[in-house]
Amino acid sequence: AQTVTQSQPEMSVQEAETVTLSCTYDTSESDYYLFWYKQPPSRQMILVIRQEAYKQQNATENRFSVNFQKAAKSFSLKISDSQLGDAAMYFCAYRSEGAQKLVFGQGTRLTINP
Amino acid sequence: ETGVTQTPRHLVMGMTNKKSLKCEQHLGHNAMYWYKQSAKKPLELMFVYNFKEQTENNSVPSRFSPECPNSSHLFLHLHTLQPEDSALYLCASSPSPRGPHSTDTQYFGPGTRLTVL
Repeated sequence: AQTVTQSQPEMSVQEAETVTLSCTYDTSESDYYLFWYKQPPSRQMILVIRQEAYKQQNATENRFSVNFQKAAKSFSLKISDSQLGDAAMYFCAYRSEGAQKLVFGQGTRLTINP
Repeated sequence: ETGVTQTPRHLVMGMTNKKSLKCEQHLGHNAMYWYKQSAKKPLELMFVYNFKEQTENNSVPSRFSPECPNSSHLFLHLHTLQPEDSALYLCASSPSPRGPHSTDTQYFGPGTRLTVL
């Protein structure tokens, strides 16, 4: 069974600086998808960024980018120019090709210091 | 309304009560999901429905009974719950897989915070 591990329960960063959230996963599959979701306090979870394992290029979405290391089974999220609105729980998730089940990590709580 | 909505947002019930959670999606999706988010545990998938048919049950106790009358609505009927069932219950929807390399991103509702006394 696949597992996802987020080793940083909490992180903090100064506003306007850059922070990297870590995620590792365990799988024997070669084709899959990886996601970062953001869950602000008392608000719904939204997709931040996704990565297809068959793509070599790292995904980017404005200030959010990933460092996808397939051989190392690592999928970190970099947030540049951090803003107060980035404060949230961040979840890394894995989905097998052809499956619908998302396997989530435990989450990282990100605090932005003004 | 847009996206995925859930009602009620908060629910307190006794162990002998029967209640239902409702989810509605306005995205034209064909797949709907129930997840459980407990404190200090990763989100756990409970059920998956595709085109109104249940396609996954992740070993969920029978005191949780899902219902999907159409592709836009999903219910979770609750009865004789235990205090350890207290959690945030999240509904999600997605377009449904369309073949190889279908990203099929899931969109989440705000959740129902359930407390079982």
